[in-house]
Amino acid sequence: QKEVEQDPGPLSVPEGAIVSLNCTYSNSAFQYFMWYRQYSRKGPELLMYTYSSGNKEDGRFTAQVDKSSKYISLFIRDSQPSDSATYLCALSGAGSYQLTFGKGTKLSVIP
Amino acid sequence: EAGVAQSPRYKIIEKRQSVAFWCNPISGHATLYWYQQILGQGPKLLIQFQNNGVVDDSQLPKDRFSAERLKGVDSTLKIQPAKLEDSAVYLCASSLDPSQETQYFGPGTRLLVL
Repeated sequence: QKEVEQDPGPLSVPEGAIVSLNCTYSNSAFQYFMWYRQYSRKGPELLMYTYSSGNKEDGRFTAQVDKSSKYISLFIRDSQPSDSATYLCALSGAGSYQLTFGKGTKLSVIP
Repeated sequence: EAGVAQSPRYKIIEKRQSVAFWCNPISGHATLYWYQQILGQGPKLLIQFQNNGVVDDSQLPKDRFSAERLKGVDSTLKIQPAKLEDSAVYLCASSLDPSQETQYFGPGTRLLVL
C-alpha cells in the first residue's frame, strides 16, 4: 500500500460547480497536510496548509482533515476555468518535515 | 521577490549521455530540494541540502546521479549516464529552513531521454 493515495482523475466539471478532491494515507504519524496546485508546465505552488483535524477555509477553498479516518479533502466552491490545474496533496511530519506527495488529480473546469 | 530559477527549461538527450541542471533558490533560503516528477506522478524527493551540506540523499540513485551546492546558494544536479527511465521533470524547491511548511518550487526542467 502506498503511503498516500490520490485518484489521478481526470476530473471535468462545469464552471460554478463545487469540486471535491481527496487523498487517503496510511501512516498515522503524518501531522502536516498541504494542498499544492500545479498548472501545466509550472512548478507546484502551496494552496492550503493544515496541521490538525478539522476545516480551514481560504476564500473559495476549504481544506478538511480527518485524522481518525486518515482522509484529507480539498473543496473548491464556485469553480472557475482558472482553477483548471493538477492538485497535489502533500503530507509531512512522519519523522521529518519532508513532503510525501500524492499522484495529483487533474481538474478541468469547463466554461 | 524573485522566485526559484531553473535552467534549462527543456533538454533532449540520448541514453548514456550526461546532462546537468542548474537551480538558483530564493535569496536567503538555506534549504534546497531537488525532486523528480515522472509524468502522472507526484514529485519525489531526490536530495535535500541545508546550506551546502546534504541532509538527505537516500532516494538519489548515486550510481548515476550527483548533486552539489557549492557556497550554499546555487545547486547543480547531474545525471551520467542517463537512462530512458530518467525522462521526467526535475523540480528545484527552496525554503527558509527545513521546518518551514512552505516550499517554493521552480518551473522545472523537462528531460526527455531517447
